Amino acid sequence: DAGVTQSPTHLIKTRGQQVTLRCSPKSGHDTVSWYQQALGQGPQFIFQYYEEEERQRGNFPDRFSGHQFPNYSSELNVNALLLGDSALYLCASSLSTGVYSNQPQHFGDGTRLSIL
Amino acid sequence: AQKITQTQPGMFVQEKEAVTLDCTYDTSDPSYGLFWYKQPSSGEMIFLIYQGSYDQQNATEGRYSLNFQKARKSANLVISASQLGDSAMYFCAMRGFDSWGKLQFGAGTQVVVTP
Repeated sequence: DAGVTQSPTHLIKTRGQQVTLRCSPKSGHDTVSWYQQALGQGPQFIFQYYEEEERQRGNFPDRFSGHQFPNYSSELNVNALLLGDSALYLCASSLSTGVYSNQPQHFGDGTRLSIL
Repeated sequence: AQKITQTQPGMFVQEKEAVTLDCTYDTSDPSYGLFWYKQPSSGEMIFLIYQGSYDQQNATEGRYSLNFQKARKSANLVISASQLGDSAMYFCAMRGFDSWGKLQFGAGTQVVVTP
């Protein structure tokens, strides 16, 4: 049973470029959340996708956008990259019926994005 | 607004000893969930234990137990019989009542287990 998979594992970009990160949820999960984790800090919620719609969004600018596909996989897009976007980007999946239960979000290994 | 506070940036603990990681939270939600995750240096976030706000008993999961004091708004993680493999960053996180599962994380506590 495959867990949450993210690609790529590492990425180096320069300021002003655009990047797309990908996530495949754990089998059976239909909800995908994205988090940004700066070095030495806890993860910060970016947004959550369910039924191909953005259901909830954290305090991130419009440069951060996403998409969810019919197979529940998801992409995170970041435009006009800034140095401050350097971070570990974590994808987490869950089952929509479990959002108020003891069912935890399952996380991938993350994508380390470095902006030069 | 919700807030999670972890006041211990780092801790050293000897192998086979117990360690308590502090977590306090602030919320006005009538119902919420508290989670602890472990993050090794490799980066993956590993779920350890969950406590629901209406659970009567403190949660336990193997060597992990949660000291939940609702009135004090604290949810401390206790790791018994520490092992070298327990060296990692530990995060406390909260899921609010109307949050669709969104997690609010604390800043984390770095634990180093020494032989």
